[in-house]
Amino acid sequence: DSGVTQTPKHLITATGQRVTLRCSPRSGDLSVYWYQQSLDQGLQFLIQYYNGEERAKGNILERFSAQQFPDLHSELNLSSLELGDSALYFCASSEANTENSPLHFGNGTRLTVT
Amino acid sequence: GQSLEQPSEVTAVEGAIVQINCTYQTSGFYGLSWYQQHDGGAPTFLSYNGLDGLEETGRFSSFLSRSDSYGYLLLQELQMKDSASYFCAVNSGGYQKVTFGIGTKLQVIP
Repeated sequence: DSGVTQTPKHLITATGQRVTLRCSPRSGDLSVYWYQQSLDQGLQFLIQYYNGEERAKGNILERFSAQQFPDLHSELNLSSLELGDSALYFCASSEANTENSPLHFGNGTRLTVT
Repeated sequence: GQSLEQPSEVTAVEGAIVQINCTYQTSGFYGLSWYQQHDGGAPTFLSYNGLDGLEETGRFSSFLSRSDSYGYLLLQELQMKDSASYFCAVNSGGYQKVTFGIGTKLQVIP
């Protein structure tokens, strides 16, 4: 158990809808990352937050947004969903206080858009 | 931006040694990490190289050459449970941005 909690585990929704994925980081970790993994694809970096502030942005679509709250949990909002958004979405957290702080991944949210 | 290249698939025999290579291009490079992911599971951290050279952790070793923008993961005494995808990842930026490669699917056969 990595200590990172993601909810829900599975989500099935229709095109055009909006969903919110939630992540609770490991106790003490200040940094939260979001990644998208499509079938047989690598981990595509979406966005990173550190202590409530956005620190790095990757290939995140304008239809997607995220935030990190004062209690350090994070939410990823996906709107105007398309079939191609179907993927496994991972949240990871790290202490991020040294360059080699490992990322600890949650079990992911599997999103299916029909 | 960042880009990483690693082989998409590797097959090796149980008990053997396998090396998974990774080349990268990035700005603000801090170090190279390796992660393991079993089918349907979450990625888990294996190792990190911030300096040139070899880091050993049990059956797994990882190497980095910063001048060549190259690293590898070495798995010894392969076991069936080592069948998984292995990702190299570049750590960059002041707040530890981590960018992953496409992953190498390792199949260990008897």
